[in-house]
Amino acid sequence: GAGVSQTPSNKVTEKGKYVELRCDPISGHTALYWYRQSLGQGPEFLIYFQGTGAADDSGLPNDRFFAVRPEGSVSTLKIQRTERGDSAVYLCASSLTGGRRGYNEQFFGPGTRLTVL
Amino acid sequence: DQQVKQNSPSLSVQEGRISILNCDYTNSMFDYFLWYKKYPAEGPTFLISISSIKDKNEDGRFTVFLNKSAKHLSLHIVPSQPGDSAVYFCAASGGADGLTFGKGTHLIIQP
Repeated sequence: GAGVSQTPSNKVTEKGKYVELRCDPISGHTALYWYRQSLGQGPEFLIYFQGTGAADDSGLPNDRFFAVRPEGSVSTLKIQRTERGDSAVYLCASSLTGGRRGYNEQFFGPGTRLTVL
Repeated sequence: DQQVKQNSPSLSVQEGRISILNCDYTNSMFDYFLWYKKYPAEGPTFLISISSIKDKNEDGRFTVFLNKSAKHLSLHIVPSQPGDSAVYFCAASGGADGLTFGKGTHLIIQP
């Protein structure tokens, strides 16, 4: 079966522009996560969806960042008024179930490399 | 403040020898620990995990040890193979809805 897919693989934009990053999770996975990985760092949690709702958006750095998952499958991460500091690899992951406790294997997509000039 | 720490940015090991990657954590709420392996331009892939109620989990060449009192875990790879060259991330579950990752250790297996 198909894994997690993300588009585009690379995105170059100018400071101040708006970008959308798409994630297609593994079919049947109810939980979806977005992470951001900056150079030399590990992935940092941004937001977690359980079904259509954002169950935890505590990792979003500010209100320029927003994510949706309207039908409980595909998710879009939206960044307004991009800044150079937003340059990073944005990773999406899905898991069969979510939640804070216990075993929660997450399957990652290849990421979208965002470069803000 | 980093809740999951991997203090070795890189590690070089000769092929056939044992690779030991270390990880320390600070959050007592963590109840599950995972190791992910990452190749360039790919997403992290799950390698092995351990529950906080265990102190060892083995899967083929990979063994993870957990010392709860020291808040320390380690990944042992034996024997090391060239295809093991990658960045290894230690991650923890239980403190928040997402996983908390360390900064990674770049393992280089030398022929």
